[in-house]
Amino acid sequence: AQSVAQPEDQVNVAEGNPLTVKCTYSVSGNPYLFWYVQYPNRGLQFLLKYITGDNLVKGSYGFEAEFNKSQTSFHLKKPSALVSDSALYFCAVRPPGAGGSYIPTFGRGTSLIVHP
Amino acid sequence: DAGITQSPRHKVTETGTPVTLRCHQTENHRYMYWYRQDPGHGLRLIHYSYGVKDTDKGEVSDGYSVSRSKTEDFLLTLESATSSQTSVYFCAISESKSEGQPQHFGDGTRLSIL
Repeated sequence: AQSVAQPEDQVNVAEGNPLTVKCTYSVSGNPYLFWYVQYPNRGLQFLLKYITGDNLVKGSYGFEAEFNKSQTSFHLKKPSALVSDSALYFCAVRPPGAGGSYIPTFGRGTSLIVHP
Repeated sequence: DAGITQSPRHKVTETGTPVTLRCHQTENHRYMYWYRQDPGHGLRLIHYSYGVKDTDKGEVSDGYSVSRSKTEDFLLTLESATSSQTSVYFCAISESKSEGQPQHFGDGTRLSIL
């Protein structure tokens, strides 16, 4: 069975500082990995994904994530945080080759708070 | 934004009453999903559909049923609502052309059962 862990319920960072939101996963085979962001009273919005290739993937709003197979991690990063980045972030994993039904498993979410 | 509309956006009802939530998409995507979001639990899959009249259970399907009679509509029904079903419900869709495609989410329905 696949699983995702987001070890931090909340991450606090000062505006202008780099941020990291952690995600580790467990899945058979090479995973498909995703990050989503949720703003208050909205649905989840896709940020970026790792399917194959370069371990560093870039996504929307200046976010990037690094896939580390040996550590089974997919941490979300941004070089310089903005107050507007404050939101709830979800990591998700699904195994490849499971057909088109695409049933991912989501982490519990990490609340990112960027202080002015 | 993907064309996904959830209705109603808010609902308050009483224990024991039936409740139906609607998800409507204009993207012609094959796959549709219902999730519930609760503090400390993240997103949990209730049911999903892989085509018209083709549905399957997720990890928290007890007390819920779904129907999909048209590609664009996916209904979630609570036959007899209980207070434990108070939650925020999200619909999501995804394409079938590529396994790496992300899901797209509606803005949710906040359901309170008193």
